[in-house]
Amino acid sequence: SQQGEEDPQALSIQEGENATMNCSYKTSINNLQWYRQNSGRGLVHLILIRSNEREKHSGRLRVTLDTSKKSSSLLITASRAADTASYFCAEETSGSRLTFGEGTQLTVNP
Amino acid sequence: GAVVSQHPSWVICKSGTSVKIECRSLDFQATTMFWYRQFPKQSLMLMATSNEGSKATYEQGVEKDKFLINHASLTLSTLTVTSAHPEDSSFYICSAPRTGLYNEQFFGPGTRLTVL
Repeated sequence: SQQGEEDPQALSIQEGENATMNCSYKTSINNLQWYRQNSGRGLVHLILIRSNEREKHSGRLRVTLDTSKKSSSLLITASRAADTASYFCAEETSGSRLTFGEGTQLTVNP
Repeated sequence: GAVVSQHPSWVICKSGTSVKIECRSLDFQATTMFWYRQFPKQSLMLMATSNEGSKATYEQGVEKDKFLINHASLTLSTLTVTSAHPEDSSFYICSAPRTGLYNEQFFGPGTRLTVL
């Protein structure tokens, strides 16, 4: 299956600024998930939003979902240098299968 | 939270040899596990779904005879890269969903394979 798209592919901001990443997907989903990956490491689950939800918050994270446009966004507020990582969205379809987006490389400059 | 481990964390092998990677769910049972491959600066690509007690399901384009998957128990799945070649060098990651109210999925830390 084709991967979803994320934009931007790379984002560089200053500490304290907000970072917004967008994700588009292609199929009907059970839910959409966002993950973080530090270079060369495994994935860390950030947040899950169900297909019947439109917005969800977790700490400095805010995720929105628009099923009519098949898109989602991840907002990280008051960014920190430690937020520097790659961020991936993943659409979950049947059988818990995840299809990952291409990812956004976020760099937060101190 | 639940933990999924992988072993080894990195391996270097000669071309033509076979390499086995283990994925274990440490504190929950997983009838299904997933294997992904990630090339540098790219996203994760699902290779196959490992099913306890039955054959693995491979994604289109993934050679089942080259990437052997065995779901030996409810807590262990293995991926064997047979006759490895330099183009198989990659980061291999497994995941296991824990069924429940939210069907959370937990990822292993990954295995870096380098084939010389």
